[in-house]
Amino acid sequence: DAGITQSPRYKITETGRQVTLMCHQTWSHSYMFWYRQDLGHGLRLIYYSAAADITDKGEVPDGYVVSRSKTENFPLTLESATRSQTSVYFCASSTGGGYTFGSGTRLTVV
Amino acid sequence: AQKVTQAQTEISVVEKEDVTLDCVYETRDTTYYLFWYKQPPSGELVFLIRRNSFDEQNEISGRYSWNFQKSTSSFNFTITASQVVDSAVYFCALSTTSGTYKYIFGTGTRLKVLA
Repeated sequence: DAGITQSPRYKITETGRQVTLMCHQTWSHSYMFWYRQDLGHGLRLIYYSAAADITDKGEVPDGYVVSRSKTENFPLTLESATRSQTSVYFCASSTGGGYTFGSGTRLTVV
Repeated sequence: AQKVTQAQTEISVVEKEDVTLDCVYETRDTTYYLFWYKQPPSGELVFLIRRNSFDEQNEISGRYSWNFQKSTSSFNFTITASQVVDSAVYFCALSTTSGTYKYIFGTGTRLKVLA
């Protein structure tokens, strides 16, 4: 089905482990984004990408790495997870107007 | 700097009451978009409206209406005759057309509609 898919929906990991959150879209939208949602902060931009192989930092990029070798995929990697990275992560894609969001990944770092 | 302020952290109303959610934004750009999203308890983000900075007409969609005033940098959202299903967190967001299309979100307003 067409759309934007995030996986996994839920993840529990231990401090110090590497974890990758996946995001896949079927529309070939140029722009893709990763946000984290935390109480009291709303949604904050981690990284974004304007096209394959073009990525840039957002507001809160520290501790995260992204790649975009293909237009449809935009994985987010936490290199060494910390408890402060416990959050809900949303991926979004856009052609330049409004976003379409994925369903989110709830990540807990213990 | 760009900023979106939703000063109301949480609002509780009784069903059938009208409620207005406030959104104040800051930007130096002359062209921008404003958005409202709804996040129900299930967690997904549901698009409600997009408004172009050149279009100050108010918008009505069923029980929902939006008042955009550039003079006060506000884009307020009113729900008329609220229902329990309106209970959610509502986010206001700002996006410029500078080429990156990044959103700046407000911190959200949690609306509780009591039966």
